[in-house]
Amino acid sequence: AQSVTQPDIHITVSEGASLELRCNYSYGATPYLFWYVQSPGQGLQLLLKYFSGDTLVQGIKGFEAEFKRSQSSFNLRKPSVHWSDAAEYFCARGTGGFKTIFGAGTRLFVKA
Amino acid sequence: DGGITQSPKYLFRKEGQNVTLSCEQNLNHDAMYWYRQDPGQGLRLIYYSQIVNDFQKGDIAEGYSVSREKKESFPLTVTSAQKNPTAFYLCASSSGQGSTDTQYFGPGTRLTVL
Repeated sequence: AQSVTQPDIHITVSEGASLELRCNYSYGATPYLFWYVQSPGQGLQLLLKYFSGDTLVQGIKGFEAEFKRSQSSFNLRKPSVHWSDAAEYFCARGTGGFKTIFGAGTRLFVKA
Repeated sequence: DGGITQSPKYLFRKEGQNVTLSCEQNLNHDAMYWYRQDPGQGLRLIYYSQIVNDFQKGDIAEGYSVSREKKESFPLTVTSAQKNPTAFYLCASSSGQGSTDTQYFGPGTRLTVL
């Protein structure tokens, strides 16, 4: 079965430090991959998505993600974290139908 | 401004009651979705609708029901058959290309069973 794994339940980084959130997807045809962010008590907002083409994808709020087919990964990165980036981050995969598979999420804490 | 609204923000239910969660969108999207979110489990699909008057079960449809009488509305009823309904419920919509499409989410409804 197709799946999305986010190995880190939570991560703490210092403000101004770099960030990498991990995401692995199960094998399948061309994956449709997404990263969403959720602030506490709110809905999800799209950060970026990858369907094909350039494997380094730029998103909103200074985030980027790199698709690596050989590693089945789609890790999210940001060079310098701001306190406002504290939230929960979800990696997701489109299945080609109407079902999207979401990872369990990684909660990001930012310390001053 | 276009977007998705969900109401109420907080909902309390007694055992044995049915409750209905509202979801409205003015994005002119064909597809709408209901997800359930529990801590540490990500989002699980309850129901989705591709077009008006059509909807399909997701992974955890038991104890839930939906209707899609209008393009902009997709209400979810949590019935008394749902044994553990306490959760955060999210409604989403997309332009209709399925899971290759960006989904736009509402702010959610937190349901608590008393």
